[in-house]
Amino acid sequence: DAGVIQSPRHEVTEMGQEVTLRCKPISGHDYLFWYRQTMMRGLELLIYFNNNVPIDDSGMPEDRFSAKMPNASFSTLKIQPSEPRDSAVYFCASSFNQGTEAFFGQGTRLTVV
Amino acid sequence: GESVGLHLPTLSVQEGDNSIINCAYSNSASDYFIWYKQESGKGPQFIIDIRSNMDKRQGQRVTVLLNKTVKHLSLQIAATQPGDSAVYFCAENDNLNTNAGKSTFGDGTTLTVKP
Repeated sequence: DAGVIQSPRHEVTEMGQEVTLRCKPISGHDYLFWYRQTMMRGLELLIYFNNNVPIDDSGMPEDRFSAKMPNASFSTLKIQPSEPRDSAVYFCASSFNQGTEAFFGQGTRLTVV
Repeated sequence: GESVGLHLPTLSVQEGDNSIINCAYSNSASDYFIWYKQESGKGPQFIIDIRSNMDKRQGQRVTVLLNKTVKHLSLQIAATQPGDSAVYFCAENDNLNTNAGKSTFGDGTTLTVKP
């Protein structure tokens, strides 16, 4: 397996624009996680899914953020409208079940100007 | 004053020495713990894990110790190499509650290995 695949690797956008980050988890993994990493707050869990169902979205900053998992092999994180404070590295991760480690993608570095 | 971000603990060691990275976790109900290594420009990568029914687990050059009494986790790296330079995160999971599967990450420790 190629691991968790995220796209794009880098995204630069203007404030107010919609941004969509994409993730393909490892095949067979039941859990999918979206994290955000910044110097200010470290690694924060935004939302996670189990078998495509959102379980905990308490980490989503505000209504501008939304995430979907339409099937077991694809998830999106959308920010609309984007703001400069959303600039961060966004990681997607997946795990086989609740008692195993998570495998992280390479991340998407988002810059909102 | 203005916040400049997290002040990550740092550890600087000489190549060949042993390293010990410490982590205090918060949830006494956590039953699964993981150490991750994050190199610059990459996502965190699994190193070793331990379940709450154990107090020690060894891997290749790494050992994790768990002290549930004081909610403390440590990662020991033997014969540290320049390639070990990275940020190290501990993560805790409480798999018996409604948020099973979710990891809570610590702030991280930056390890620098001097040649």
